[in-house]
This record gives sequence, C-alpha cells and structure tokens, in this order.
Amino acid sequence: GNSVTQMEGPVTLSEEAFLTINCTYTATGYPSLFWYVQYPGEGLQLLLKATKADDKGSNKGFEATYRKETTSFHLEKGSVQVSDSAVYFCALMFYGGSQGNLIFGKGTKLSVKP
Amino acid sequence: DGGITQSPKYLFRKEGQNVTLSCEQNLNHDAMYWYRQDPGQGLRLIYYSQIVNDFQKGDIAEGYSVSREKKESFPLTVTSAQKNPTAFYLCASSSIGQPQHFGDGTRLSIL
Repeated sequence: GNSVTQMEGPVTLSEEAFLTINCTYTATGYPSLFWYVQYPGEGLQLLLKATKADDKGSNKGFEATYRKETTSFHLEKGSVQVSDSAVYFCALMFYGGSQGNLIFGKGTKLSVKP
Repeated sequence: DGGITQSPKYLFRKEGQNVTLSCEQNLNHDAMYWYRQDPGQGLRLIYYSQIVNDFQKGDIAEGYSVSREKKESFPLTVTSAQKNPTAFYLCASSSIGQPQHFGDGTRLSIL
C-alpha cells in the first residue's frame, strides 16, 4: 500500500543550525508530495509541495526535492529560527481518481533553542 | 477572509453522549475531510466528501458519522460507540485534486 515514513523526533537544534528532516515514501505510481507544518494548538498549514520527479518545492527558506530514485522528499533549511519550532508532516497524494486524499507520516517535532 | 472555521475549540463529552463538531468553509471547495490526530500517530482519515449529499468512510470511520447537506458545512458526530474519542480533530477542505487547507482543530476530551 501507499505510506510515508518520517524520521522520529523530537529534533532539537540551536538557532541558525542546519535542518534536515528525512521523509521516504512507498507508493504504487507517482504521487505528489507535500510538507505541512503544525504550530502548537493549531491546524496544519501547507509549507511546500512538489508534483513530479526532480521538482523542488520551497517556501520560507525551507526546501525539499522530489527524488524518485530514492523515493524521498527530505525537508531542509539552512538556518533555523526559534519561530520554526513546530511539528512537520510529510504527505503524499494522488491526483485524479475518486479520493485525492492525503497520506501522512507520523510527524517530526522540531524544537529550536535560542 | 476565506478559510475553514472549526467550533468549538474545546469540547467535553460525558460517557454515553453523542457530540457534534462543526466545520464550515467559505473557500468554495468541493471536497471536505475529517481527520483524527493522536500523539505520535500523525493524522488518520475518518470521513471525506467530494460532493453535497455524498460522503465516504476513511480509515477509522467506526463510531463516527457525518452529513453534507450544504457545500460549506461538514459536521462530524462522535457517537457513544466511539470508545476512545479523546483526540484532536481536524477538518480540511480542497478543490478536487488540490492540496488541502486545514482548520484550527477541536480538542475533544472525556469527562
């Protein structure tokens, strides 16, 4: 079946450190891939997306590249801030068909210390 | 402003009681979704609807019911048959085949 696996957290970094959160997927076909972010007590916000192989999604200094050969979509940021502290979810979705539903990883909690 | 409104933010349920969580969107989206979030388990799909008066079960529909009488509204009822209802419930909407937008959630607890 289709699934998403993320690195387990929590991840604790100092401000201005480099961030990588690993995400790999299993899918029958070629899904679109997403990163969502959830701040404490809130819902999820779409952070970035990529719809085909080798696409790079980027937003707010975060980047992720759709790697078909390694079935990965790792999230990176060159210099994290305290305000980046949140839970990050990797997800996949197939366009078309009758669902269009997101399949989520379990989330990775990031804490950034000043 | 366009968005998704979930209410209430916090809800308490007594044993044997049904409770209904509200979800309203003014984004003109056709599809709406309900997810349950438990610590360390990510999000799991309860129900979804792609058109008015039609909806489908997700992965964990047992103990829940929904209705979709209007495009803007997709209320979720947590019935007494749901034995472990304590969780954070998230509603989402989207145009068909597009990324989902989420509300701010309702936290349900048992008294």
